[in-house]
Amino acid sequence: AQKVTQAQTEISVVEKEDVTLDCVYETRDTTYYLFWYKQPPSGELVFLIRRNSFDEQNEISGRYSWNFQKSTSSFNFTITASQVVDSAVYFCALSEPGSARQLTFGSGTQLTVLP
Amino acid sequence: DTAVSQTPKYLVTQMGNDKSIKCEQNLGHDTMYWYKQDSKKFLKIMFSYNNKELIINETVPNRFSPKSPDKAHLNLHINSLELGDSAVYFCASSQRGKHIISNTEAFFGQGTRLTVV
Repeated sequence: AQKVTQAQTEISVVEKEDVTLDCVYETRDTTYYLFWYKQPPSGELVFLIRRNSFDEQNEISGRYSWNFQKSTSSFNFTITASQVVDSAVYFCALSEPGSARQLTFGSGTQLTVLP
Repeated sequence: DTAVSQTPKYLVTQMGNDKSIKCEQNLGHDTMYWYKQDSKKFLKIMFSYNNKELIINETVPNRFSPKSPDKAHLNLHINSLELGDSAVYFCASSQRGKHIISNTEAFFGQGTRLTVV
């Protein structure tokens, strides 16, 4: 069965610090997708990134970067020069082949960026 | 123009009542989902429909009944509400594709916060 672990329940940083959110996953499939979603205090779920299992290239989007390593089954997320607006719960999720390809979510990491 | 919209955003009701949450997507996706987020923020799949056909029904009490009148709509009806049903319910949609590699990401509605008193 698939599983996503986000061991960091809460992280606090001061504005402009860099912060990395960890995500470790388990799956028996060789083909799968990994995702990160952001849930700000307003409550909606905002899609950040999708990565398929065949593409281990790291990705950078502005202050956000993702490090996918199949060897360690990890898909970590780094925010550079954090800002107060980055404060949110961040979820890592896994989708594997199957009839619905639903998301299996990690338990989330609450990130608080202090001014 | 909201991609996935669900109504209502807040729902407060008494135990034993029946209530419905509606969801509509205008993305042209073929698959829709209901997820439940509990008080600890944990998100779990409840149901999934593909082209109006139920394809996932997780271990959810049969008081919960999804209905998909067409590809763009997936409603959730809950009978005999219980205190433990209090949660945030999210609707989502995605384009499944023939192979997982062609799957799109899921887009979520803004959530419905259900409070049973």
